[in-house]
Amino acid sequence: NAGVTQTPKFQVLKTGQSMTLQCAQDMNHEYMSWYRQDPGMGLRLIHYSVGAGITDQGEVPNGYNVSRSTTEDFPLRLLSAAPSQTSVYFCASSYAGQVGSEQFFGPGTRLTVL
Amino acid sequence: EDQVTQSPEALRLQEGESSSLNCSYTVSGLRGLFWYRQDPGKGPEFLFTLYSAGEEKEKERLKATLTKKESFLHITAPKPEDSATYLCAGQSNDYKLSFGAGTTVTVRA
Repeated sequence: NAGVTQTPKFQVLKTGQSMTLQCAQDMNHEYMSWYRQDPGMGLRLIHYSVGAGITDQGEVPNGYNVSRSTTEDFPLRLLSAAPSQTSVYFCASSYAGQVGSEQFFGPGTRLTVL
Repeated sequence: EDQVTQSPEALRLQEGESSSLNCSYTVSGLRGLFWYRQDPGKGPEFLFTLYSAGEEKEKERLKATLTKKESFLHITAPKPEDSATYLCAGQSNDYKLSFGAGTTVTVRA
């Protein structure tokens, strides 16, 4: 099992550009989520999905879109990049909604917006 | 609003010097308190889940405990390979995780 994979590992964008961060998992997990990690602030939930075709907003959803057409993939789209979106982005997956269900994290994408 | 606060922000230990990390939480309908380890440039890696006050879990030199307001991660006789950032997170009744900012532990040989 590859676990949770993310691409790209690093990305530099100019303000106003759009892009998609890719996330895939091969553990047949129903629950997938996107977090951003900023210094001194911990991980913050952007969007999450409890299964194919179902998505919902987390704590900091503005400026991001998601879709879930398959169980395996959960891409995160930046619509018009802003410097405030400079961060490290982590995708995670787990069994849907189970109490205490361990979330498996990907290696992260380091994004810089100039 | 759910809140998780970790202290201290950073901890420097000598090899073999035991210590504890604190995680204070206010999480509605807490369903679980998680501890993760994060190495530089990598994603968090799961350590423990605690469900109820009084519960304890151990893994090698790490022991996690839980009260109604706090969780502690005790590191006994740490080694340099225990150097990492330790994150705690509370899972609320809607299954979402709220993370603390983490404690960065450095263990010197």
